[in-house]
Amino acid sequence: GIQVEQSPPDLILQEGANSTLRCNFSDSVNNLQWFHQNPWGQLINLFYIPSGTKQNGRLSATTVATERYSLLYISSSQTTDSGVYFCAVELSSGTYKYIFGTGTRLKVLA
Amino acid sequence: DTGVSQDPRHKITKRGQNVTFRCDPISEHNRLYWYRQTLGQGPEFLTYFQNEAQLEKSRLLSDRFSAERPKGSFSTLEIQRTEQGDSAMYLCASSAKGGNQPQHFGDGTRLSIL
Repeated sequence: GIQVEQSPPDLILQEGANSTLRCNFSDSVNNLQWFHQNPWGQLINLFYIPSGTKQNGRLSATTVATERYSLLYISSSQTTDSGVYFCAVELSSGTYKYIFGTGTRLKVLA
Repeated sequence: DTGVSQDPRHKITKRGQNVTFRCDPISEHNRLYWYRQTLGQGPEFLTYFQNEAQLEKSRLLSDRFSAERPKGSFSTLEIQRTEQGDSAMYLCASSAKGGNQPQHFGDGTRLSIL
């Protein structure tokens, strides 16, 4: 089956620093989403980004579907950015079956 | 928009008992998903509904698991004869019809098997 790997697995940043999280997938996908799971376990959708680049405030994401990867950029990190970041891919059109990646655990220090 | 609601938030039961969880999606969202998440792992897809039709079902969903969405609104997930390995967070998500629609997750039901 498809492999969805994220790197780095763990990341510790000082408040104000920038970071790049990566999601690699082993097969063609129809859709890709990025999620943030906060320390209380809530999963929040950040981006729906099957291809191209999107920005939302301090966050932006780029997916290069032909090369099977996506990047999530966090600028000027804040302590509230702490948590686990997941990418999730939909295997083929119309299935709506999403496979989540291994996650990147981020801790931002004040 | 009140968000996706799940009930109960936490369920503790003895091994062998049956449990049922409920999910109320965002109103007018016709797509509904169930996932299971164990500690330190990402959510695992269990099943997907479009309106009342169950269109996808993971092989993770053994014959002890069943999900319904009888009127295309709320959904229930039932686990029969629970086992220790069923202990996990069960997450529900919904999305609107049409392309490019993000999933919105509920806060989950945490199941603990004694």
